[in-house]
Formats: sequence, structure tokens, C-alpha cells
Amino acid sequence: DAMVIQNPRYQVTQFGKPVTLSCSQTLNHNVMYWYQQKSSQAPKLLFHYYDKDFNNEADTPDNFQSRRPNTSFCFLDIRSPGLGDAAMYLCATSGRGESTEAFFGQGTRLTVV
Amino acid sequence: GQNIDQPTEMTATEGAIVQINCTYQTSGFNGLFWYQQHAGEAPTFLSYNVLDGLEEKGRFSSFLSRSKGYSYLLLKELQMKDSASYLCAVTEHTGRRALTFGSGTRLQVQP
Repeated sequence: DAMVIQNPRYQVTQFGKPVTLSCSQTLNHNVMYWYQQKSSQAPKLLFHYYDKDFNNEADTPDNFQSRRPNTSFCFLDIRSPGLGDAAMYLCATSGRGESTEAFFGQGTRLTVV
Repeated sequence: GQNIDQPTEMTATEGAIVQINCTYQTSGFNGLFWYQQHAGEAPTFLSYNVLDGLEEKGRFSSFLSRSKGYSYLLLKELQMKDSASYLCAVTEHTGRRALTFGSGTRLQVQP
């Protein structure tokens, strides 16, 4: 059974048109993360939530926003996608303990046309 | 900040053993993870080390030396399905819980 679910798996959006990616989890984990991964590169952390506390990485562009309305759901909003934002977007969750591993969703591959 | 280095690519033969190395520099080390990622798919957890030594889990083992800032992932009895990228990731004590990943090592297993 899928525990971290991302929708859609593939998203095509127009240059400059706002797009939202969604993530849900059935693990009741406190922490949710959004990573951006471009081809042959490491996943790059954009931001994460510890419960409702939002933590933004210093180099995450303002174009990227996130919402976590409840424990189970988290959204990534890209206000004005550019061609450089085409990537795989990975959502992950982890529990309270610092040694617990992160569980990843299948990812959403975003194409900007 | 953190700096994590891994070889970019490796090739090995089915049935053989391969060792993938990872070196890291970080302030306040709090654990090292290895993940496997097949092309176009999400990373999946393989192992976690926080103390020095070897952790064994089936065909996969992971080693950590905190004093040297060094880890390796050892894959035994290689199978074709082991062809994937292997990502080394570290966490810090700073309260920043998130994983910071290395660029990954792409392993190609040949017949």
C-alpha cells in the first residue's frame, strides 16, 4: 500500500502559469519535505515542515511556496514556472526520531512548455 | 554547510561485490543514510549509520567512520536489478532535520 502519495505523476504546465503539486501520507508522520531533483543530480531540499513549523531553505526561490493544511497533506505551489523549474519533485515524510528514515513518494515529473 | 562526495559512475559484473564510497564534511554530524534510486523512481531507504562500524542487512552492508568522515555501501552477489543510483545522505545536529544528499553513484551491473 502506498504510504506517501503524490499527484499527479506527470504534470505539464505552461511557462508562467501557476501550478500546484500535491502530496498526502498515511503514516501520520510529523515531518514532510519537498525536494527538487534534476536529471543526474542529487535531490535538493526546497523546504520542510516539522508539524506546522515551516522551514525554508535559504536558496529556495520565492517562486516556490508550500502549504500544509493538516498532518496528512502538503502542497507545493510554483507561482510562475520557468523552463528551469522542469524537474522531478519528490515529497518525503519522516517521524519524530532523528534516526528515522525518510519515506519518499513516487514523485511528480514537471514539464514546462 | 555540508559537502558530500561520491563517485559518479561504477560498473560491476553480475555475482560480484562492489563497494561505493562516500566522504562527507559536515558540522554536527547526526547520521548517514544510503538510498537506492532506480531511474525515474523515488529513492528507497537501504541503511542508516550513526555509530562507527558495519551494519549488515542481507546482501547490503554499510560502514561508517566518523573520525574520517567516510562511509561505504557494500553490495554482494550483484544482480541485474541492482543497477541504479545509490545516494549517500547526511543529517546534522543543528535541528535541521532534513537529509542532504550527495549527487549519487550510478551503478551499472553487467552480465
